[in-house]
Amino acid sequence: LAKTTQPISMDSYEGQEVNITCSHNNIATNDYITWYQQFPSQGPRFIIQGYKTKVTNEVASLFIPADRKSSTLSLPRVSLSDTAVYYCLVGDPDNYGQNFVFGPGTRLSVLP
Amino acid sequence: DTGVSQDPRHKITKRGQNVTFRCDPISEHNRLYWYRQTLGQGPEFLTYFQNEAQLEKSRLLSDRFSAERPKGSFSTLEIQRTEQGDSAMYLCASSLILAGQSYEQYFGPGTRLTVT
Repeated sequence: LAKTTQPISMDSYEGQEVNITCSHNNIATNDYITWYQQFPSQGPRFIIQGYKTKVTNEVASLFIPADRKSSTLSLPRVSLSDTAVYYCLVGDPDNYGQNFVFGPGTRLSVLP
Repeated sequence: DTGVSQDPRHKITKRGQNVTFRCDPISEHNRLYWYRQTLGQGPEFLTYFQNEAQLEKSRLLSDRFSAERPKGSFSTLEIQRTEQGDSAMYLCASSLILAGQSYEQYFGPGTRLTVT
C-alpha cells in the first residue's frame, strides 16, 4: 500500500496562506495524488488531484516535485471556515482499493 | 439535491442483530464505494463497485460484512451479527469513470451505527 505521512495538526490565522505537505516515498508510476477536506459529521469533500508539477483550481493549488515523493497542498488566504481535517491520498484510480488509503489526516485550525 | 444520499442517517442496534444500510449515488456515476470511519481516523475503504460488478471486496472487515449493487444503481451494505466494535460512521461515495479517466469521489453524509 502506498503510505502517506502528514502532520497531525496545524494552526493558522485568517488571511494567511497554508501549506500542508504529504510524504509518499513509495509512490508508484500509475499513482495519482488526491486531497480531500472533511468537516465534522460530514463525508470528505474532494479538493484537488494531480500527477506531477502543479495543479490549480478555484480553491487550492497542488505542488508535486519531479520525484513525486511528496506533495504540498496550498490554501490561499484561509478563513475560519477552512478549519477541517485534510487528507492526502496516493493511489491508482484504476486499481482502487488495492492501494487507496486515508491516513489520519491533518487537522487544520484557523484562528481569528 | 442530486448528491449522494444514505439511509438511515443513524442506526442504534443491539449486539447480534443484523443491519442494512442503503446508498443512492449520483445518478450518472458508475462507481460506488463504501468506507467505515471511526472517531479520529480517516475513512477506511471497504469495497467498491463499477456498475453492478464488485471489483474489490478483500478489504471488507470480516465475512459478516457484505455489499450489493444489484442493478448498478443503489447499493446496500449489510452487517450480520453486529458487534460493539462495528460502531462507526459508514460512508458511501460515488464517482464517474469515463474513457479510462477517473474523477473525484462524492461522499454521502454517512450512516452512524451504534451497537449497544
